[in-house]
Amino acid sequence: QQPVQSPQAVILREGEDAVINCSSSKALYSVHWYRQKHGEAPVFLMILLKGGEQKGHEKISASFNEKKQQSSLYLTASQLSYSGTYFCGTPGQAAGNKLTFGGGTRVLVKP
Amino acid sequence: DARVTQTPRDKVTEMGQEVTMRCQPILGHNTVFWYRQTMMQGLELLAYFRNRAPLDDSGMPKDRFSAEMPDATLATLKIQPSEPRDSAVYFCASAADGNSNQPQHFGDGTRLSIL
Repeated sequence: QQPVQSPQAVILREGEDAVINCSSSKALYSVHWYRQKHGEAPVFLMILLKGGEQKGHEKISASFNEKKQQSSLYLTASQLSYSGTYFCGTPGQAAGNKLTFGGGTRVLVKP
Repeated sequence: DARVTQTPRDKVTEMGQEVTMRCQPILGHNTVFWYRQTMMQGLELLAYFRNRAPLDDSGMPKDRFSAEMPDATLATLKIQPSEPRDSAVYFCASAADGNSNQPQHFGDGTRLSIL
């Protein structure tokens, strides 16, 4: 089942912060985050493997709450380069790297 | 940097024609995925392979789509016959192994338009 991302879109001014949420109706074992710029391929940002674990990429960090079955991506002091669509991906219960991606969150950072 | 290579980059063809898309995974990666991306459906998994063996193709319309890995350096996705509703961007991705703690590396995609 597809994870649900919110918000669907967000507009920021350079330097502002934003939070993107990814929620699942099923138990989460890990969460992947990817960013896709317009006309390009999705690019891997980070994987969260343990509950409560936080990771970072540039000034982008994420947390993973197993109990709440959700992950949040934090865009801190956003830069123009952060614009794009952010996807979370969750693996199934069975072993393997098969991911189901959320619908994406469009982020636009303006000067 | 090692990259996943997809060809062709763009393909425009008429309904009913056969379409073949190719993917060269990153050397040493043993897991390959095919995704389709549309505005309406988002990013959908069509099929994936590990060590060249198909593991899951449940996302793929079986009557017209087929996916194969003739060898470790080549994955193919074929559509025969093609239909306008197949118009989408098709991505190939590879991962170092089949564990869920491995990132997926995407190719640049094939932009397919069926007229």
